Amino acid sequence: NAGVMQNPRHLVRRRGQEARLRCSPMKGHSHVYWYRQLPEEGLKFMVYLQKENIIDESGMPKERFSAEFPKEGPSILRIQQVVRGDSAAYFCASSTRRTSGRSANTGELFFGEGSRLTVL
Amino acid sequence: ELKVEQNPLFLSMQEGKNYTIYCNYSTTSDRLYWYRQDPGKSLESLFVLLSNGAVKQEGRLMASLDTKARLSTLHITAAVHDLSATYFCAVIPGGGADGLTFGKGTHLIIQP
Repeated sequence: NAGVMQNPRHLVRRRGQEARLRCSPMKGHSHVYWYRQLPEEGLKFMVYLQKENIIDESGMPKERFSAEFPKEGPSILRIQQVVRGDSAAYFCASSTRRTSGRSANTGELFFGEGSRLTVL
Repeated sequence: ELKVEQNPLFLSMQEGKNYTIYCNYSTTSDRLYWYRQDPGKSLESLFVLLSNGAVKQEGRLMASLDTKARLSTLHITAAVHDLSATYFCAVIPGGGADGLTFGKGTHLIIQP
């Protein structure tokens, strides 16, 4: 059973270009989370999606960032007109259940190996 | 806003020694996670602590949770070099929010 698959693993973009990061969740997982990790920092929650729906995007910057999780295919995190401050590792995680304070389940998250974006 | 603080942030220790990493969080939560991350790699789930007084052990690592004190500890017994990594604790905010709030991580180096 393959784990959470992210690609590309490394991406280099010049300022103003677009970055697209893909995430295929584990088989049977329909809940996807995106996190950003800056150097020497912990991960910061960005967005939570279920198939075809954005459930919680409270951690997503209001401009230039968008995410989707279509009925078919991987989840995509899209960053338009990248700036140097977008350089970071972007991790995707998947789960069989919602990971929130409402849920009585553990909601354990399984993380991909991350996509490391460098903006020149 | 939920804040999660770990200490120490950096720790260098010798093999065979014992040490504890602390994780404090600022608002009510009854669920806490510990993860390990090796350089350039993903996060590996170590423990999920679900209730006050929960204690879990795996090999040389033991984690505990005190929800009243809003404190979790990760104790390392007789450290070995293979445990060198960055360790993160993460908490689910209350109020039904989604996603985990992570601490900044503890960079642990264990020297032979």
